[in-house]
Amino acid sequence: GESVGLHLPTLSVQEGDNSIINCAYSNSASDYFIWYKQESGKGPQFIIDIRSNMDKRQGQRVTVLLNKTVKHLSLQIAATQPGDSAVYFCAENQSGGSNYKLTFGKGTLLTVNP
Amino acid sequence: EPEVTQTPSHQVTQMGQEVILRCVPISNHLYFYWYRQILGQKVEFLVSFYNNEISEKSEIFDDQFSVERPDGSNFTLKIRSTKLEDSAMYFCASSVLLEAFFGQGTRLTVV
Repeated sequence: GESVGLHLPTLSVQEGDNSIINCAYSNSASDYFIWYKQESGKGPQFIIDIRSNMDKRQGQRVTVLLNKTVKHLSLQIAATQPGDSAVYFCAENQSGGSNYKLTFGKGTLLTVNP
Repeated sequence: EPEVTQTPSHQVTQMGQEVILRCVPISNHLYFYWYRQILGQKVEFLVSFYNNEISEKSEIFDDQFSVERPDGSNFTLKIRSTKLEDSAMYFCASSVLLEAFFGQGTRLTVV
C-alpha cells in the first residue's frame, strides 16, 4: 500500500545539538522523497529532496539519508536552532505519467530548547 | 522569490453553502494540486491538475468538489455544499515536475 509513517511523533532537543527525524515508508515503488517543514499556521515548506537512486543528499545544515533496503528515510539537522522548531513531514511520490501527487507521513514535532 | 498565493486566508461558511478557494500558482509551473489538512492530522492529497484536466483525485474528492483553471493564472477549488467535516486547512501547490511548492493555505471553517 501507499503508507508513509514516522517512528517518533515528538522530538525535543537542545539548541546547538543535532536532530534526527525518522520516517518509514511501505511503498517500494516510491522513487522520490521530500522533507517538508511546517510552522504553525503556515503551509509545508520544502527542505530537501532525494531520489531513489541516491542514498544521501546534503543541503545547508540538513542531510537526508535513504535506506531502500529497510524503506527508511531520515532528516538530520545540524546545530539545531530555535527557528527549526516545527512539524516535519516526509512525503513520497511515485513518479511517472502526468501526476506527481505526494503521500505525506503523520509528522514529527521538533521542539528546540534554548 | 516566486511563491504560491492563496485567498482568502480564512473562510467561515454555513453548512450547505458553496465556497470557492483561490490560488495563484507559480507562473512557470505546469502541475497544480490541492491538499487538505484537518487540524492536527497529516496533509492529504485531494486532486492534481495538468494540461487543463484532472490527472488524479483521491477518495475525498467526491462530486461535491471541483477544480478549475479559469484563466492563465488562477486555480480554484469549489466545494458545492459544505459539510462540517470539510473544516480544514486547504493547501494549493504547484510544481514544474516533482518538487512541489505550497501556499500558506486557506483555513475553512464550516459552522
